[in-house]
Amino acid sequence: GAGVSQSPSNKVTEKGKDVELRCDPISGHTALYWYRQSLGQGLEFLIYFQGNSAPDKSGLPSDRFSAERTGGSVSTLTIQRTQQEDSAVYLCASSLPQSGANVLTFGAGSRLTVL
Amino acid sequence: AQTVTQSQPEMSVQEAETVTLSCTYDTSESNYYLFWYKQPPSRQMILVIRQEAYKQQNATENRFSVNFQKAAKSFSLKISDSQLGDTAMYFCAFMKGMNRDDKIIFGKGTRLHILP
Repeated sequence: GAGVSQSPSNKVTEKGKDVELRCDPISGHTALYWYRQSLGQGLEFLIYFQGNSAPDKSGLPSDRFSAERTGGSVSTLTIQRTQQEDSAVYLCASSLPQSGANVLTFGAGSRLTVL
Repeated sequence: AQTVTQSQPEMSVQEAETVTLSCTYDTSESNYYLFWYKQPPSRQMILVIRQEAYKQQNATENRFSVNFQKAAKSFSLKISDSQLGDTAMYFCAFMKGMNRDDKIIFGKGTRLHILP
């Protein structure tokens, strides 16, 4: 597609439920990032996929968080047993590192509210 | 580990004034990229400007320019002739090395208000 697409744009869930957030990167972009933006906070790095390499999961805050990227394209971020502190905007970005620019194109984000 | 620090949580300036946003970073790398991203109220992040550490010349994009001080590990953004549309969160970001497998780390951001 022309841009990075994220769904849902807004999600309200109850504490303890599992949620899945989807990211559809720009076609051909080999790198995909997930960030979390809490109210008034910066962008917290969560996970990074690059081509066929093992993902960099160093930013995942707990084992309730996981992500996968199927076929080098679409990515799903899963949060199990959601907690209120998981409420945030989850941003996905993709890039084409081979171009040398390393410029990220971001999606509009998924706003998660845990009640 | 690399860190990015933005010491100004919030700033306000009058339209048409010049404003400078500060950013410092910590790294032991010699080659890296630095970025400024803008996030307007619409939430859509947009790249403002990019600097390669091996380049001594400061990057410029129209009204936006940077002051890159490698020895001081400082990377400030100057916005000249500020406009109402410049109102946004501004994030400084760092990517170590030139490797394809390097992640990008962001600061906490500076909220900039341009006043009419």
